[in-house]
Amino acid sequence: AQKITQTQPGMFVQEKEAVTLDCTYDTSDQSYGLFWYKQPSSGEMIFLIYQGSYDEQNATEGRYSLNFQKARKSANLVISASQLGDSAMYFCAMRELPSNTGKLIFGQGTTLQVKP
Amino acid sequence: SQTIHQWPATLVQPVGSPLSLECTVEGTSNPNLYWYRQAAGRGLQLLFYSVGIGQISSEVPQNLSASRPQDRQFILSSKKLLLSDSGFYLCACQTGGSMGETQYFGPGTRLLVL
Repeated sequence: AQKITQTQPGMFVQEKEAVTLDCTYDTSDQSYGLFWYKQPSSGEMIFLIYQGSYDEQNATEGRYSLNFQKARKSANLVISASQLGDSAMYFCAMRELPSNTGKLIFGQGTTLQVKP
Repeated sequence: SQTIHQWPATLVQPVGSPLSLECTVEGTSNPNLYWYRQAAGRGLQLLFYSVGIGQISSEVPQNLSASRPQDRQFILSSKKLLLSDSGFYLCACQTGGSMGETQYFGPGTRLLVL
């Protein structure tokens, strides 16, 4: 069965520094998709970045990049130049085939606190 | 782009009372719709999903049910709430069935059962 593991319950980072949030996954499928979402204290889930299992390049979206290591089954989120507004909970999620249902499996999340 | 509305935003209900949470979507048609529950400080658990009107798939056996009476309306219900039903309920929407299709979420409903 597919599983997402986020081993860091909480992380601290100094403003303007980079931070890496860990995510490992378990799947027997060759085709899958990996997502990262941000959840601020308001509760709404905000999509950040996507990586497909067959994508050759690591995904990037502005200050967010995904360090995808397929052999190690890890998809770590890197946030560069942290800002105070980055303080939130971050979730890694995975989608397997069949993709038409769109079902996502989420990890337990990592709380990030950015210090001024 | 789609907009997802959920109401109410907050709800306090006694044990044994009924529940109805509503989710409506604007800006898209024939979406996949999802209900998730999140316990405090935890990840999201998929409760139900729907790929079309009247089509509901349940992921977790429980005393909750879901219905989709219209293309862009998704309702979560219970006849008798339990204390364990407390949590943050999120509705999500997805258009298209490709692997990389993004799910977008509504603002959520915080439910406290006393």
